[in-house]
Amino acid sequence: QQPVQSPQAVILREGEDAVINCSSSKALYSVHWYRQKHGEAPVFLMILLKGGEQKGHEKISASFNEKKQQSSLYLTASQLSYSGTYFCGTEMGANAGGTSYGKLTFGQGTILTVHP
Amino acid sequence: DTGVSQDPRHKITKRGQNVTFRCDPISEHNRLYWYRQTLGQGPEFLTYFQNEAQLEKSRLLSDRFSAERPKGSFSTLEIQRTEQGDSAMYLCASVGEGRTDTQYFGPGTRLTVL
Repeated sequence: QQPVQSPQAVILREGEDAVINCSSSKALYSVHWYRQKHGEAPVFLMILLKGGEQKGHEKISASFNEKKQQSSLYLTASQLSYSGTYFCGTEMGANAGGTSYGKLTFGQGTILTVHP
Repeated sequence: DTGVSQDPRHKITKRGQNVTFRCDPISEHNRLYWYRQTLGQGPEFLTYFQNEAQLEKSRLLSDRFSAERPKGSFSTLEIQRTEQGDSAMYLCASVGEGRTDTQYFGPGTRLTVL
């Protein structure tokens, strides 16, 4: 089932902060965050795992609330280069080695625009 | 550049024609995913390979779609008898063995069906 992202769009001035949320109605094993610029492929930002482990860019922070099946991406001191569409991809809590191994279901995206 | 390449980058075809796309993953990665992305939406899972074995195919995928990964290296996605609704960006993602390894996306093939 597709995760729900909020807000749908955010407009910032350089230096401002933003939070993007991702919610699922299903139990999750992991949440992956990507940024995509127009006409380009999604670029990996971060993975958050059930149990608290995180892997990703040092300048990006995020959280994963396992009880609520929600993840939030925190963008601080935004730069012009942060502009793009942010997607969360969720992996269900299937057993490792099963057919859902690593399969991501993506949200509809959050469009972030940073102005000078 | 993620190290994943796709060819062609753009394809324009007429309705009813067959098209084939190619994805070359990162050489040491044994998992490969195909996704489809339409304007304003996130990528949608199509199918998944581990080495040469196709382990899962989306239930939403028409039987006009077929994918292969011979010898566990590059992969091809073929669409037969294309329809206008097939117009989309087709992305492949290359992944290592670990369940939480990063999915590295290729640049995609943009298909336009006239």
